[in-house]
Amino acid sequence: GAVVSQHPSWVICKSGTSVKIECRSLDFQATTMFWYRQFPKQSLMLMATSNEGSKATYEQGVEKDKFLINHASLTLSTLTVTSAHPEDSSFYICSARAEPGTGASGANVLTFGAGSRLTVL
Amino acid sequence: AQSVTQLGSHVSVSEGALVLLRCNYSSSVPPYLFWYVQYPNQGLQLLLKYTSAATLVKGINGFEAEFKKSETSFHLTKPSAHMSDAAEYFCAVSGQAGTALIFGKGTTLSVSS
Repeated sequence: GAVVSQHPSWVICKSGTSVKIECRSLDFQATTMFWYRQFPKQSLMLMATSNEGSKATYEQGVEKDKFLINHASLTLSTLTVTSAHPEDSSFYICSARAEPGTGASGANVLTFGAGSRLTVL
Repeated sequence: AQSVTQLGSHVSVSEGALVLLRCNYSSSVPPYLFWYVQYPNQGLQLLLKYTSAATLVKGINGFEAEFKKSETSFHLTKPSAHMSDAAEYFCAVSGQAGTALIFGKGTTLSVSS
């Protein structure tokens, strides 16, 4: 079945530094990936839609200069939290859409990664 | 636009009892509906999905959900709760296959022995 890997699963950084989170589709091609943010004991909020080879589409209220998204290949999207601050501490989850005929079972199925927990000190 | 409302942020049941988690949706187009489970510090696991085929959808771990258009509902049920079912459950909707999901606020299920 389709597998999405996120790395790192847990990261702690100092305030002011930048952190990169990777989302990889391991056994299928994903032209579209979605990035979500989840605060403790809350729901998942869609941050942006990442399209391979083009600029990401950000949801209203999400700072695109703060949360840089790059989708340089069909199997990798990255989220970089720039100049991180304690309020950016959260659980970040990506999901990838399996395109028909790209190796994954079930066309247009969304598969979620295990998430990356960011703690900014 | 799509949205989902999960009724009850916290549901408590005894082991062996019926589990009922409620979800109502709003969608301007025929919806795709999903239930996910999340265990602490983990990602999401798909329980089941409705994609306009059968209205009664069976999922993993004994869960099922029924799509009722007249009630705009997609409630999740399990006949007999198990301790391992204790987790956070999310209902989600999308307007098209493969598009971003919009999640409800989640329901925490507690199971007591």
